[in-house]
Amino acid sequence: QVQLVESGGDLVKPGGSLRLSCVASGFTFSDYYMSWIRQAPGKGLEWVSYISSSGSTTVYADSVKGRFTISRDNAKSELYLQMSSLRVEDTAVYYCAKFLNFAHDYWGQGTLVTVSS
Amino acid sequence: QSALTQPASVSGSPGQSITISCIGISSDVGGYNYVSWYQQHPGKAPRLLIYDVSNWPSGVSNRFSGSKSANTASLTISGLRAEDEALYYCSSYTDSSSVVFGGGTKLTVL
Repeated sequence: QVQLVESGGDLVKPGGSLRLSCVASGFTFSDYYMSWIRQAPGKGLEWVSYISSSGSTTVYADSVKGRFTISRDNAKSELYLQMSSLRVEDTAVYYCAKFLNFAHDYWGQGTLVTVSS
Repeated sequence: QSALTQPASVSGSPGQSITISCIGISSDVGGYNYVSWYQQHPGKAPRLLIYDVSNWPSGVSNRFSGSKSANTASLTISGLRAEDEALYYCSSYTDSSSVVFGGGTKLTVL
């Protein structure tokens, strides 16, 4: 069965950096686009970024453009999100998700990022 | 990338049907048949219910159905059950190649 397991969430100060990882199993990772979506405490879902199956195409939400970088290692079946210049408003649970036909068909359990001084 | 507009809350009694609307614009909901719907129970990850406006992923009950007219997509849940009480989100592809979610709708089963 499809499994997505995120890690790397932590408490970080404003202006700091963090790298999230997502390990995928149960499907041919290199065949699919992948996404990151976040959810601030008590708030709704916000799409962050997606990456093509080869990694050649990446798209970002305006709110993170220039600060976050999505990447993948198909040999390891891993997805990453490098986050820099973090702001208090980036505090959220970050989910990785398999992306098919512009829908997110499988989600991980999420990892919490807290940005606070 | 403004969020799609959903009602904050809807409610219904067991066995009834309810519909949740999702209002976008011509550059997202109205321009593409890439609308999806998600269910999220407290403390859990979202679950895909509908993709491509009206298609079901494997394992999703046909009590959930989706449709679209112009810039508005809708999710209908028939035969309401207590376990349907959750948050529901719509999502759409946009003409800037991005993805946008709705603000979410809390369904209460009375």
